[in-house]
Amino acid sequence: DAGVIQSPRHEVTEMGQEVTLRCKPISGHNSLFWYRQTMMRGLELLIYFNNNVPIDDSGMPEDRFSAKMPNASFSTLKIQPSEPRDSAVYFCASSNRDRVFAGELFFGEGSRLTVL
Amino acid sequence: SQKIEQNSEALNIQEGKTATLTCNYTNYSPAYLQWYRQDPGRGPVFLLLIRENEKEKRKERLKVTFDTTLKQSLFHITASQPADSATYLCALDPWGNDMRFGAGTRLTVKP
Repeated sequence: DAGVIQSPRHEVTEMGQEVTLRCKPISGHNSLFWYRQTMMRGLELLIYFNNNVPIDDSGMPEDRFSAKMPNASFSTLKIQPSEPRDSAVYFCASSNRDRVFAGELFFGEGSRLTVL
Repeated sequence: SQKIEQNSEALNIQEGKTATLTCNYTNYSPAYLQWYRQDPGRGPVFLLLIRENEKEKRKERLKVTFDTTLKQSLFHITASQPADSATYLCALDPWGNDMRFGAGTRLTVKP
């Protein structure tokens, strides 16, 4: 398996522009997570999906952030409009998890976002 | 509020020694606790999982303990090597739902 695939790996954009980050989870996994990592705040959970349904989006910073999972093999995280404080590395992770089995998370290589 | 604290930002040890990293949590009742390794510019990689009813788990040179009374997990690397240098993250897992991470401890093993 190719693992979790994220794109783009690097994105540099200007304040006010729309940014879309993409994630392809590992086939067969039922859970997908979006995290944001910065030096100041570490690895923060933004949102996670189970069976394509958003379960908890309490970590999404504000209305400028939105995430979708239209099917089991694709998810997007969108920031509109972007701001310099959104600069971070965004990770997608997938897993097989439920209330009985706590599978480990498999992370992608991340998307490094710089907003000027 | 819920907190996950990894006590040391950085830990420097000599090759061959045992590294011990600490993860403390408050206002959580995790069913599982997981440890990950992260190298610069890469995503975290899973190392070990321990359940709330387990006291200790081992895998090769790694050992994890989980004390739900103290609300603490210890992560040990025995016979440490320079290749073990990385950031180590603990993650709390309340019954197969969300997974939240500590800030991590950066371990440097010097030859």
